Amino acid sequence: DQQVKQNSPSLSVQEGRISILNCDYTNSMFDYFLWYKKYPAEGPTFLISISSIKDKNEDGRFTVFLNKSAKHLSLHIVPSQPGDSAVYFCAAISGSARQLTFGSGTQLTVLP
Amino acid sequence: DTGVSQNPRHKITKRGQNVTFRCDPISEHNRLYWYRQTLGQGPEFLTYFQNEAQLEKSRLLSDRFSAERPKGSFSTLEIQRTEQGDSAMYLCASSFFHKNTEAFFGQGTRLTVV
Repeated sequence: DQQVKQNSPSLSVQEGRISILNCDYTNSMFDYFLWYKKYPAEGPTFLISISSIKDKNEDGRFTVFLNKSAKHLSLHIVPSQPGDSAVYFCAAISGSARQLTFGSGTQLTVLP
Repeated sequence: DTGVSQNPRHKITKRGQNVTFRCDPISEHNRLYWYRQTLGQGPEFLTYFQNEAQLEKSRLLSDRFSAERPKGSFSTLEIQRTEQGDSAMYLCASSFFHKNTEAFFGQGTRLTVV
């Protein structure tokens, strides 16, 4: 039972354009959401987060949108750069342990 | 302190052998997590410590797995009688106690059981 789903295994975008990565979740108890970026042979690196009481959070080129009624969040990267090429994981938190439940990731490739 | 450190980076072992991994978290973080990642999947939660207390374990953590965090500092994850299905990337992460804060991950230990 996958509680966090990233249905697009890969995405290719031209440099300078917008990248939109999507994530759906099923567990209504999730109250905090995060995006991590992962390069090969490295651990995930935190990118941006959003609390369930908000619907948008922005940090530089990165914006996360949360639609609680649809149980959907998305990450927008504008403008996309070749260095953004990596696997992006959506993750959600619930419970006292505050452990992360991850999606399966989306490989983003930004073409020069 | 440069971040979460994991050792070794790679481990190849024969089926049936025991292996132990080490994680040194960011020093001021009191929460420490272990995750496992297999190819094409996101990391899956295994267990977590708050200071030296192991407070939660996933059902993924079979009896062959044991984790410790003596004195609330570094942590070890031991796998006894390894099986080929244990081959994965084992990730350690640490964070502050606060409710909503990001976890910082180490580079992971890649285990291959042959």
